[in-house]
Amino acid sequence: EAGVTQSPTHLIKTRGQQATLRCSPISGHTSVYWYQQALGLGLQFLLWYDEGEERNRGNFPPRFSGRQFPNYSSELNVNALELEDSALYLCASRTRTNQETQYFGPGTRLLVL
Amino acid sequence: SQQGEEDPQALSIQEGENATMNCSYKTSINNLQWYRQNSGRGLVHLILIRSNEREKHSGRLRVTLDTSKKSSSLLITASRAADTASYFCATAYSGAGSYQLTFGKGTKLSVIP
Repeated sequence: EAGVTQSPTHLIKTRGQQATLRCSPISGHTSVYWYQQALGLGLQFLLWYDEGEERNRGNFPPRFSGRQFPNYSSELNVNALELEDSALYLCASRTRTNQETQYFGPGTRLLVL
Repeated sequence: SQQGEEDPQALSIQEGENATMNCSYKTSINNLQWYRQNSGRGLVHLILIRSNEREKHSGRLRVTLDTSKKSSSLLITASRAADTASYFCATAYSGAGSYQLTFGKGTKLSVIP
């Protein structure tokens, strides 16, 4: 069974630009979570998508947004990039029935110059 | 916030020794989970302990949970160099149709061969 995949693995942008990160969940998983992990910090919850809808978001500004597609893959968009947006962005997925365990992808490392 | 806080922030031990990491949290939880992260990559789920459980084992891992003290510990016995990684606790809370994992900042474990 293929795991959660994320693309790209690395992304370099400059301040003010927009970044788009992609996540493909494990087959059969319907929920997707996005987390930000800045250097030396724990994971901060960003967004939760389930069945195509945004169900919850963390304490992040509106320039962090995303969507979930009918095939349950997801995009995270970050507009007007700031230097402090540099971080590892992790996507996780879970099944509809087992909400306890999340399976993580390898992450996208975003560097904002 | 019910964010878990791991202690110590960093731990260095010799191969073969046991490693103990602690996690404290602030509010009631449904379960507590431990994850492992190798050098800034994705997280791997290690073990889950529910709020009505006190101890759980999985291979060389032993997790305890004390809900009265709002704390948990992860013990890795007979450590190996391959155990070198960052370990995160995540507290899980379910309510109002939302299931949320909140991560701590992690303990960085170094196992010296």
